[in-house]
Amino acid sequence: QKEVEQDPGPLSVPEGAIVSLNCTYSNSAFQYFMWYRQYSRKGPELLMYTYSSGNKEDGRFTAQVDKSSKYISLFIRDSQPSDSATYLCAMNYGGSQGNLIFGKGTKLSVKP
Amino acid sequence: EAQVTQNPRYLITVTGKKLTVTCSQNMNHEYMSWYRQDPGLGLRQIYYSMNVEVTDKGDVPEGYKVSRKEKRNFPLILESPSPNQTSLYFCASSLAGVEYEQYFGPGTRLTVT
Repeated sequence: QKEVEQDPGPLSVPEGAIVSLNCTYSNSAFQYFMWYRQYSRKGPELLMYTYSSGNKEDGRFTAQVDKSSKYISLFIRDSQPSDSATYLCAMNYGGSQGNLIFGKGTKLSVKP
Repeated sequence: EAQVTQNPRYLITVTGKKLTVTCSQNMNHEYMSWYRQDPGLGLRQIYYSMNVEVTDKGDVPEGYKVSRKEKRNFPLILESPSPNQTSLYFCASSLAGVEYEQYFGPGTRLTVT
């Protein structure tokens, strides 16, 4: 079983839809949970991060972490064509263990 | 402007011809890392550096070398490239202790024939 599993999609939704992106993981030692967004022909950029369990909201984006289920989610409300990108989940152990473990990414397309 | 730069952005080379991809950041970050991104495999870490003169292997280090002689620079060296190293390469950096917030360069697309 891979450490981080993410459905690669692609996922296509109409503008205005609520999008749900998910990852599962196997290592309970992960402490930080991130979502990176990668536009075509660009490097990934950090969208949101969560420390340990719980929810975090930033505008139209909500990140959720359920450590008991080893499951993280990213919700996008009122999706826009500009949200079309690949979304990568990532995790790390925190402290001196700085390396990120990435999911394979989900490609999202929001149609006008 | 705070950024991570990589050069070259595109490179086509032949098997066995040594090459270097440069990476530079202007944010005074301690942590730097190299990744390769391949379809179906995602982002995989090649090497990382916690600070000057401190480097360590990531998940896929075979066939690569790195050095960190200055804080801002972290070059990736392929001494004898092979076709299986054809990939999209990203350099990233972050402050120490904030490695969840990594800043990525624009990528280098390498083709080895």
